[in-house]
Amino acid sequence: SAVISQKPSRDICQRGTSLTIQCQVDSQVTMMFWYRQQPGQSLTLIATANQGSEATYESGFVIDKFPISRPNLTFSTLTVSNMSPEDSSIYLCSVAYGPEQYFGPGTRLTVT
Amino acid sequence: GENVEQHPSTLSVQEGDSAVIKCTYSDSASNYFPWYKQELGKGPQLIIDIRSNVGEKKDQRIAVTLNKTAKHFSLHITETQPEDSAVYFCATSLYALNFGKGTSLLVTP
Repeated sequence: SAVISQKPSRDICQRGTSLTIQCQVDSQVTMMFWYRQQPGQSLTLIATANQGSEATYESGFVIDKFPISRPNLTFSTLTVSNMSPEDSSIYLCSVAYGPEQYFGPGTRLTVT
Repeated sequence: GENVEQHPSTLSVQEGDSAVIKCTYSDSASNYFPWYKQELGKGPQLIIDIRSNVGEKKDQRIAVTLNKTAKHFSLHITETQPEDSAVYFCATSLYALNFGKGTSLLVTP
């Protein structure tokens, strides 16, 4: 497994602003992912963060709204842009070793 | 795409009893079936998984069974303890994880 940290752990933001979430892993890993978990709901994959190339987005998620960076094999960022209250969720990064995926602690975002 | 159904949505048991959570899936190509435990305010924790060439796997008080023909798999927790109280998610994978909607387990002393 891996030790995964996220910053910030939580934030309250005003609508129309943007927030960048950081994910740091303690070892190099090829596959990193970003998920959204709306209150009381299951996890939904936003995108796969690819090192050295553009992220691969799932249906319903677009780069303009959720730009992702992956500058190296231990770090990624997710930006939630032009936020609205509907973006209030937990945002989780995960890493994969083979089929096994491990999750960070999450970033709890509230948009007012 | 893959459809994963998980039941029950809530489960309350007394300490020491067993708990069983069941999931069904639609894509027969899925070949990896993990279970996650999510405690309040934390990220999901991988607790056990099973691959498609195995029918059962056990790790201390938890076990997972897989029936590929019927496309269902189950999580069994024996001798439940209050610290087992959490939300449990099943998932399936061929390439990406597809999650069930979760089961909120409450173990009462």
